[in-house]
Amino acid sequence: LAKTTQPISMDSYEGQEVNITCSHNNIATNDYITWYQQFPSQGPRFIIQGYKTKVTNEVASLFIPADRKSSTLSLPRVSLSDTAVYYCLVGDPTTSGTYKYIFGTGTRLKVLA
Amino acid sequence: DTEVTQTPKHLVMGMTNKKSLKCEQHMGHRAMYWYKQKAKKPPELMFVYSYEKLSINESVPSRFSPECPNSSLLNLHLHALQPEDSALYLCASSQAVRSTYEQYFGPGTRLTVT
Repeated sequence: LAKTTQPISMDSYEGQEVNITCSHNNIATNDYITWYQQFPSQGPRFIIQGYKTKVTNEVASLFIPADRKSSTLSLPRVSLSDTAVYYCLVGDPTTSGTYKYIFGTGTRLKVLA
Repeated sequence: DTEVTQTPKHLVMGMTNKKSLKCEQHMGHRAMYWYKQKAKKPPELMFVYSYEKLSINESVPSRFSPECPNSSLLNLHLHALQPEDSALYLCASSQAVRSTYEQYFGPGTRLTVT
């Protein structure tokens, strides 16, 4: 069973780059890694997804080493509005060919002025 | 339209009540999910529907009963709940049940069992 762990919390100042790492030692060969952002009393919102190496979009970058046992979400120049909980998500394939989805433990990011 | 809607937003029910949570999406997604989230914890997968068929039940107690009437709707029927079932219940959808597909989440239903 896939198990994903993240640092519990991080503090940063506005304008800094923030890197959040997720450990997923048992990731399946074909599995993608997805990161979500969640504000209080809201559903998670998609940030970025990747399979290997580096992926970048307009809000974040995702770094995945060759062994794929971890991934790092990079948020450039954070602002106060980036204060939220960040989760990585990996799929755990079942014997029937479907996926169970396992959220990481979550990282509470607090951005300070 | 990339929205998943959930009703009601808040629900308070007694342990002997029967109630239902509703979820709807119009993105043509063929996979729909129910998650349960306790305070300061990650969402936990409860059920997965793929092409309107239940494909995963994560050993959820029978007092939770999912239903997928059609490809756009997902219900969660609640009966004889316990106070420890109080949580945020999230619905999500994706194109299919593969990790390559982004899940779209609704805002959740905040359930309180008294």
